[in-house]
Amino acid sequence: GEDVEQSLFLSVREGDSSVINCTYTDSSSTYLYWYKQEPGAGLQLLTYIFSNMDMKQDQRLTVLLNKKDKHLSLRIADTQTGDSAIYFCAEVQNRDDKIIFGKGTRLHILP
Amino acid sequence: EAGVAQSPRYKIIEKRQSVAFWCNPISGHATLYWYQQILGQGPKLLIQFQNNGVVDDSQLPKDRFSAERLKGVDSTLKIQPAKLEDSAVYLCASSLNSARFFGPGTRLTVL
Repeated sequence: GEDVEQSLFLSVREGDSSVINCTYTDSSSTYLYWYKQEPGAGLQLLTYIFSNMDMKQDQRLTVLLNKKDKHLSLRIADTQTGDSAIYFCAEVQNRDDKIIFGKGTRLHILP
Repeated sequence: EAGVAQSPRYKIIEKRQSVAFWCNPISGHATLYWYQQILGQGPKLLIQFQNNGVVDDSQLPKDRFSAERLKGVDSTLKIQPAKLEDSAVYLCASSLNSARFFGPGTRLTVL
């Protein structure tokens, strides 16, 4: 199938690290993305990783890719209240360049 | 760099009425996409344009939905007549390579 799967909810205390996990299906995916969606807003491209990379770090964000297990994760260090949003994992399928989204993980920040 | 622009941001109509959405992509982006995002789900591709030609409209309900991109820049998406199940956020995105950049979306409510 074409499912990209994510857990639906994650609660994290402010200042802790958040880890959002995703599994995808196409082993030949070229790019994998993380998008952030705040209430009432469109999708903001947070970061992406090429399939030939294992890790990418960008300030508070760390993306880890395990191609063998088709597992992608997004770690947000020092989680802030402004990080509260829905995070979508997405893969670009190599055969047709289609982007397939997961259903999103809602990140809730506890005080 | 200006982002993807969409209008209107919100629209409320009654079933069987018609509605149109407008999108202005990022300057220079040849590829334009329309996505439908139903509450609690990830975006689903409706149609993809490359310049002013349609690349993929396999998921577009063509009996009621239409889209055009006449000059290869702006695009309009129309629904005629609308059904209750069309209530969703309609997202426009554009890309130069593979990274999709999304607009803020139009939230459609069909009563």
